Amino acid sequence: AQKVTQAQTEISVVEKEDVTLDCVYETRDTTYYLFWYKQPPSGELVFLIRRNSFDEQNEISGRYSWNFQKSTSSFNFTITASQVVDSAVYFCALSDGNQFYFGTGTSLTVIP
Amino acid sequence: SQTIHQWPATLVQPVGSPLSLECTVEGTSNPNLYWYRQAAGRGLQLLFYSVGIGQISSEVPQNLSASRPQDRQFILSSKKLLLSDSGFYLCAWNRGRANVLTFGAGSRLTVL
Repeated sequence: AQKVTQAQTEISVVEKEDVTLDCVYETRDTTYYLFWYKQPPSGELVFLIRRNSFDEQNEISGRYSWNFQKSTSSFNFTITASQVVDSAVYFCALSDGNQFYFGTGTSLTVIP
Repeated sequence: SQTIHQWPATLVQPVGSPLSLECTVEGTSNPNLYWYRQAAGRGLQLLFYSVGIGQISSEVPQNLSASRPQDRQFILSSKKLLLSDSGFYLCAWNRGRANVLTFGAGSRLTVL
């Protein structure tokens, strides 16, 4: 069965601190895709990143970085030097090429 | 470029009244279309998805229904709303089942 777990329900950090959002997934498929989405207070989900199961390279995009480790079935997301605009709910998702499976989200609050 | 429109943005309806939420996608053809619901707990629940006109798959039994009368139009309906239907409804599309889901701005429904 496919499953995504985001154990951190809520996180608060002070501006400029680094923060890591955890994502653990379960799948028996050898081919799958992992995603991160951001949901700001406005509600619309914004796509951040997509990785396929054959590409374990970590990725950095500005202050955002992602650590994909198949050995631990994790796809963690780190925000460096957090800003107030980073305050949002972040969702991790898994796709087996047929369905999308979303975690329950992590609510991040960045305190100025 | 592709855009997704969803309306109405906000809706307050009495119990037992009908519902119609609309979603259209522009700039692409034959998209996969999805309806998700996000209840107060933040998790995303897949309600319906469609791979083509008239092809609807239901994921969760409920008093909601979906239709796809045109290639890029997806409608979520109910004949009689329940209190439990309150939530944030998100339409999404992609091309190919493992590809990035692009979400609409969402429709917030309150059933009183």
